[in-house]
Amino acid sequence: AQTVTQSQPEMSVQEAETVTLSCTYDTSESDYYLFWYKQPPSRQMILVIRQEAYKQQNATENRFSVNFQKAAKSFSLKISDSQLGDAAMYFCAYSTSYGKLTFGQGTILTVHP
Amino acid sequence: EADIYQTPRYLVIGTGKKITLECSQTMGHDKMYWYQQDPGMELHLIHYSYGVNSTEKGDLSSESTVSRIRTEHFPLTLESARPSHTSQYLCASSERRPPWDEQFFGPGTRLTVL
Repeated sequence: AQTVTQSQPEMSVQEAETVTLSCTYDTSESDYYLFWYKQPPSRQMILVIRQEAYKQQNATENRFSVNFQKAAKSFSLKISDSQLGDAAMYFCAYSTSYGKLTFGQGTILTVHP
Repeated sequence: EADIYQTPRYLVIGTGKKITLECSQTMGHDKMYWYQQDPGMELHLIHYSYGVNSTEKGDLSSESTVSRIRTEHFPLTLESARPSHTSQYLCASSERRPPWDEQFFGPGTRLTVL
């Protein structure tokens, strides 16, 4: 069975600074997908960024980028130029092509003005 | 506007009551999912459906049941609510964006059973 582990229950960052959220996973599959989801307080969960395991190039979406280390089964999220609106719970997630997601425990990110 | 809706958003109910949590999506997605999330914790898949008349149990055992009679509608039912059912329930649907699926989430129903 696949597992996703986020070892940082809470992180904090100053506005405009950079923060990195960690995620490791375990799988025996060779073809899979990794995601970071953002869940703001009392608001809908939204997809932040995704990475296909067969791609060596790290995904980027504006201020969000990932560091995907397939051999180490590591998938960290870097948020640059942090903004107050980035404050949320962030979930790392894994799926195969069938679409079912396995989530990590989540990391609560606090952004200080 | 295409979206995914859940009602009610909040529900406080007594033990033993039957409840149905509603989930509807207007995006025409075939795949739909129900997750259970305790406060500040990860999401656990409890049910999923790959289309009309298709339902499967997820990774986390749940006493709830689901049905999928129409593409857009995926209700979850608890025949007899108990305090252990207190949690947040999130509904999602997914769109095929080859080679992967993107899931879209509803706002959730926060259930409290007294």
